[in-house]
Amino acid sequence: GAVVSQHPSWVICKSGTSVKIECRSLDFQATTMFWYRQFPKQSLMLMATSNEGSKATYEQGVEKDKFLINHASLTLSTLTVTSAHPEDSSFYICSAPNPGLREQFFGPGTRLTVL
Amino acid sequence: QQQVKQSPQSLIVQKGGIPIINCAYENTAFDYFPWYQQFPGKGPALLIAIRPDVSEKKEGRFTISFNKSAKQFSLHIMDSQPGDSATYFCAATFSGNTGKLIFGQGTTLQVKP
Repeated sequence: GAVVSQHPSWVICKSGTSVKIECRSLDFQATTMFWYRQFPKQSLMLMATSNEGSKATYEQGVEKDKFLINHASLTLSTLTVTSAHPEDSSFYICSAPNPGLREQFFGPGTRLTVL
Repeated sequence: QQQVKQSPQSLIVQKGGIPIINCAYENTAFDYFPWYQQFPGKGPALLIAIRPDVSEKKEGRFTISFNKSAKQFSLHIMDSQPGDSATYFCAATFSGNTGKLIFGQGTTLQVKP
C-alpha cells in the first residue's frame, strides 16, 4: 500500500512553545490530507482537512489559530501546535487518500508531550 | 446521523477463536466501510474494506459481513492469533464527504495463547 510518513515520531516540549509536525506522502501525491488526534484508549478525532494550495478546513471545536496547518506541496502537510499546553499532549496522526481510490493511509503518528 | 457505533469496547478470546466486532450506522449515504487495525503507539493500518453492494468480503483470515437493510457490518477474525491483539476501528464514509472517515469507538482485542 501507499506510504505516509510523519516526523518527528515523538516530541517533548515546554509549555508555551510551538511544535511543528510533518506529514509526507512518500510514493504518491496527495492534494488532501487529514489530521487526527487520539487520546489514550480513545478513537481518532478528526481535527482538520488539509488542502494543497488552499486553506485547511477545521472541524467544529478545533481552534484554527492554535493548530496551524500548511499544505505547501502535493506531498507535504504540516501541523503546528502553537503555544502548546499540557492539555495538548496527545497522539497526532495524519492520513492521505490513495489517488483515485477510496483507501486512506495513515502515518505512524507523533506523540506530543507538553511539560 | 454521522455516527458509527462500535461494539464491544473490549474482547478477549483464546487462540484459534473467532472474535466478532460489530458496527452500526445511520447515514444511508455511506458507501465505503473500512476496518483498521492499530497497535499501541502506531498509526492505524487498513485491514479490509467493503462497499454496500456486497454482503461479504474475505481477505485472508479477515471477513467483513455487511447487512445493508439493518445498516450493520461486522469484522470476523478466523483462527485468531496472539499477534492479532490490537485495537480495531470500523469506519464509514461517502463519496461526497471529501474522503473524511467517520470512526467507530474502537474495540481492544486480546487473543490469549
